[in-house]
Amino acid sequence: DGGITQSPKYLFRKEGQNVTLSCEQNLNHDAMYWYRQDPGQGLRLIYYSQIVNDFQKGDIAEGYSVSREKKESFPLTVTSAQKNPTAFYLCASSRTSGSLDEQFFGPGTRLTVL
Amino acid sequence: KNQVEQSPQSLIILEGKNCTLQCNYTVSPFSNLRWYKQDTGRGPVSLTIMTFSENTKSNGRYTATLDADTKQSSLHITASQLSDSASYICVVSAGREYGNKLVFGAGTILRVKS
Repeated sequence: DGGITQSPKYLFRKEGQNVTLSCEQNLNHDAMYWYRQDPGQGLRLIYYSQIVNDFQKGDIAEGYSVSREKKESFPLTVTSAQKNPTAFYLCASSRTSGSLDEQFFGPGTRLTVL
Repeated sequence: KNQVEQSPQSLIILEGKNCTLQCNYTVSPFSNLRWYKQDTGRGPVSLTIMTFSENTKSNGRYTATLDADTKQSSLHITASQLSDSASYICVVSAGREYGNKLVFGAGTILRVKS
């Protein structure tokens, strides 16, 4: 069953803690992305990776970090430096980073800071 | 500034009725435009993609139009069903010169009532 999985579905964090969101894909896609979704706003790009062992900052990278050690995995760490981390986080992948290649999204992780 | 504006913000219709959602964009250069459907608490799923030379594209009961001159797109839903209740997101790709960046609209929340 091919697709993108994200875990956990819900995550609660205390202020000052780092947390890591998991994203795995078995679509053999080269490109992977992390987005943040807030109510009433469009998705905003946090980080993206066009190929394994390489990644670039998106529009709102401050307070986040990523790694891309394996083609199928692109975990996102939300650090204590992120001032307002409560949001819905979406991971996506595409065959390449070309504009015509569809981005397929995972089911999302809802992060809440207590 | 590259922007995607969607209207209305939300919409309630009766099952079986038709509706049209609007998308205006200022993204330049333009590569393509997609409409995504996002169920509550889930990741978006692509419905249609249109490039500069296409002005209409259908996917079942969904028909998207594109006017690249006026930078407007619409998504028409025919004979709505309860399962059409979701957020519909317009996404414009800025093309290779802009790193194939995607610009997301905030979405139109559609609720279909029985």
